[in-house]
Amino acid sequence: KAGVTQTPRYLIKTRGQQVTLSCSPISGHRSVSWYQQTPGQGLQFLFEYFSETQRNKGNFPGRFSGRQFSNSRSEMNVSTLELGDSALYLCASSGGLAGEQFFGPGTRLTVL
Amino acid sequence: AQSVTQPDIHITVSEGASLELRCNYSYGATPYLFWYVQSPGQGLQLLLKYFSGDTLVQGIKGFEAEFKRSQSSFNLRKPSVHWSDAAEYFCAVGGHPINTGTASKLTFGTGTRLQVTL
Repeated sequence: KAGVTQTPRYLIKTRGQQVTLSCSPISGHRSVSWYQQTPGQGLQFLFEYFSETQRNKGNFPGRFSGRQFSNSRSEMNVSTLELGDSALYLCASSGGLAGEQFFGPGTRLTVL
Repeated sequence: AQSVTQPDIHITVSEGASLELRCNYSYGATPYLFWYVQSPGQGLQLLLKYFSGDTLVQGIKGFEAEFKRSQSSFNLRKPSVHWSDAAEYFCAVGGHPINTGTASKLTFGTGTRLQVTL
């Protein structure tokens, strides 16, 4: 089975722009979660989607949003980028009986 | 609120030596516990998980972890470390799959960076 894929792997944007990141879960998995990883804050949960519905949300401002499509692929969007949004954004899919999350390689976002 | 503490930021061990990485958690219900490993610039790879049952769980790459409810701990161990084990290790806690369907909204510790000397 193919693993979780994320595109693009690297992005460079400037402050004020917006960005969209994409995640394709493991085939058959219906849950997709997003995490932000920074040196200062570590790994923080952004949100989780299950069957196209947001099921959980972390403590991030409304500039961070996401959606999930009928094929379980997910996108997250960050509007009005700030320097502090520079991070590794990780997507995880879940759907096995044990419910564990499998992570993709991440998208490295740099905001200049 | 759930939380995870990894008290060791950085650990150095010699190749062939044993390893124990500490993890303490706080969770209001039955926890679902994980250890992940991350190599530089990469995503997280699941090493092992504790869901229920036997408190000593075996994972990949020769790792094991023991769940101790009385101590709120889930320490990771390996009897003999290889140079390729050098990486950052994260302990995480999540909601119980029976209640949520998935181990959602994982809370991670700050990580322990493992260095292996030859």
